[in-house]
Amino acid sequence: SYLLTQPPSVSVAPGKTATITCGGNDIGSKSVHWYQQKPGQAPILVIRYDSDRPSGIPERVSGSNSGNTATLTISRVEAGDEADYFCQVWDSSSGPNVVFGGGTKLTVL
Amino acid sequence: QVQLQESGPGLVKPSETLSLTCTVSGESISPYYWSWIRQPPGKGLEWLGYVYYSGSTYYPPSLKSRVTMSVDTSKTQFSLRLTSVTAADSAIYYCVKASTTTTITQMHFDYWGQGALVTVSS
Repeated sequence: SYLLTQPPSVSVAPGKTATITCGGNDIGSKSVHWYQQKPGQAPILVIRYDSDRPSGIPERVSGSNSGNTATLTISRVEAGDEADYFCQVWDSSSGPNVVFGGGTKLTVL
Repeated sequence: QVQLQESGPGLVKPSETLSLTCTVSGESISPYYWSWIRQPPGKGLEWLGYVYYSGSTYYPPSLKSRVTMSVDTSKTQFSLRLTSVTAADSAIYYCVKASTTTTITQMHFDYWGQGALVTVSS
């Protein structure tokens, strides 16, 4: 089955840029979607189709995808960005399936 | 505003059947895909499959023998049944709306319910 690999944790100071990666075999050929989950809340979609922001998501949040790595970038990080972030793709290599990365805990120092 | 709300028992005995219903408001069931995703507390997300507005379904092989999803368009509800549960099935269960209407290879989830915590214990 297809595997998505994320770092368990990323730490960043307020005002700096956070980069969260999502690794997968030839992930650049797939559409990658990203979700933010704050404690006790359901996930919300923050990036779809690699780099598109849904309505209401600030421009500070961006995404890219190429080769074997997709990246979620959060500029000018704020305390409110502290959350778990999950990447997600659709994979058909072993039968149709929605695959999630293991998640990355973003800590704002 | 689209809203999803899960309902069902919060405690299920081992070997019994977990049943949850999701009530959708602010959107029609048609023409979307609807899914269930679960998350053991403190852990990652697992997709349990989808039900299309037409009633067609797909479940991952790992759960196929135990999962059933159905849809009731007149009530704007869809449901999950998971049989022969064990402690490993204890999790927060989210009902979710997929944004795609036809291209499942682009499936992602734009609306989520608040989640229902289900504990499997005797």
